[in-house]
Amino acid sequence: DAGVTQSPTHLIKTRGQQVTLRCSPKSGHDTVSWYQQALGQGPQFIFQYYEEEERQRGNFPDRFSGHQFPNYSSELNVNALLLGDSALYLCASSFSGRVSEAFFGQGTRLTVV
Amino acid sequence: GENVEQHPSTLSVQEGDSAVIKCTYSDSASNYFPWYKQELGKGPQLIIDIRSNVGEKKDQRIAVTLNKTAKHFSLHITETQPEDSAVYFCAASSGSNYQLIWGAGTKLIIKP
Repeated sequence: DAGVTQSPTHLIKTRGQQVTLRCSPKSGHDTVSWYQQALGQGPQFIFQYYEEEERQRGNFPDRFSGHQFPNYSSELNVNALLLGDSALYLCASSFSGRVSEAFFGQGTRLTVV
Repeated sequence: GENVEQHPSTLSVQEGDSAVIKCTYSDSASNYFPWYKQELGKGPQLIIDIRSNVGEKKDQRIAVTLNKTAKHFSLHITETQPEDSAVYFCAASSGSNYQLIWGAGTKLIIKP
């Protein structure tokens, strides 16, 4: 079982650019949630995808968007990057839209310069 | 909305001793409470969870207790070992159960 995989592991972007992060859920899981974790803080919920639709969104601007594919993998897109977007982006997978027993990937460390 | 507070922010214990981390939540509709361990450079790892219809759950050296009336839950680690050193996060499900609301984390240091 490969678990939750995220790519890339590290990324450096320039302010104003756009970035796409990718996530493959754990085998058997159909729900993907994205979180942003700033240094020294707990993760903050960005949004959840289930059945290829965004089910709920946290307090993040429209610059943050996502997509879920028929194979349940997901992408997180961030436009017009700001310095404050520098963080660890975590993908969590679970089953049937629930948050219970959510498994996390290793994250993508995004640095905006 | 839901708010989760976690204490202490740092906990240093002697190897072999017990460690206790406490969290409180605000939304009485929350019904799922996981604990995650995060090591440096890694994603959070689910170590134990509890649902609102249970008061206590144990898995080897780790236990979690839940007091629904007081809206608080705690993580207990017994016989601590060096590999227990990490940041521990508590979380609570939102009322909609679509997201987890996280505490700020506790850095656990095990002294040899």
